[in-house]
Amino acid sequence: DIQMTQSPSSLSASVGDRVTITCRASQSISSYLNWYQQKPGKAPNLLIHTASSLQSGAPSRFSGSGSGTDFTLSISSLQPEDFATYYCQRNDTIAFSFGPGTKVDV
Amino acid sequence: EVQLVESGGGLVKPGGSLRLSCAGSGFTFSNAWMNWVRQAPGKGLEWVGRIKSKPDGGTTDYAAPVKGRFTISRDDSQKTVYLQMNSLRTEDTAVYYCATGGYFHDYWGQGTLVTVS
Repeated sequence: DIQMTQSPSSLSASVGDRVTITCRASQSISSYLNWYQQKPGKAPNLLIHTASSLQSGAPSRFSGSGSGTDFTLSISSLQPEDFATYYCQRNDTIAFSFGPGTKVDV
Repeated sequence: EVQLVESGGGLVKPGGSLRLSCAGSGFTFSNAWMNWVRQAPGKGLEWVGRIKSKPDGGTTDYAAPVKGRFTISRDDSQKTVYLQMNSLRTEDTAVYYCATGGYFHDYWGQGTLVTVS
């Protein structure tokens, strides 16, 4: 079974910072990788699908890149509303497992 | 506006059963692939399973931890997807979300809490 890991597990940043989160698959998943943002007590929100496609309505400061086993989510200039937990998700097979999450706090 | 509303959560004893519902509106429900995703308290997200639209075969897929115990079904006339959960275990305690989408989940409900204790 393909395992998903994320690094770091948490990070502290300031408004205006550029933030990069990494997601790694234990085997190649091509570009079948999504990114979600989740705030406490709320449902997740899709940011990026298929590794680099910005979901409609997601702010353009979010971008995704990568293929194969290594992927990144970048936030170009962190805004107050971006403090949240971010999850990657593989969707290359029928088992759409998530990474363990990266918490971004102040 | 797309809306997904889950219901049916609650407290159940280990070994018991529960059926969750998710009612959709604001989109063509019959064409949508529907998923269930759960989140244990203080933990990360776990994909539970999905059901394809009937035009795409209506088949179901499940994550290993729930296969054989959970069943997803749909009633397109009621625009509702169901999650039948049997032989519940304490580790099934979680907020259960329904979400649309075949390969990425673009709309989510607010979630319903299932406590197995």
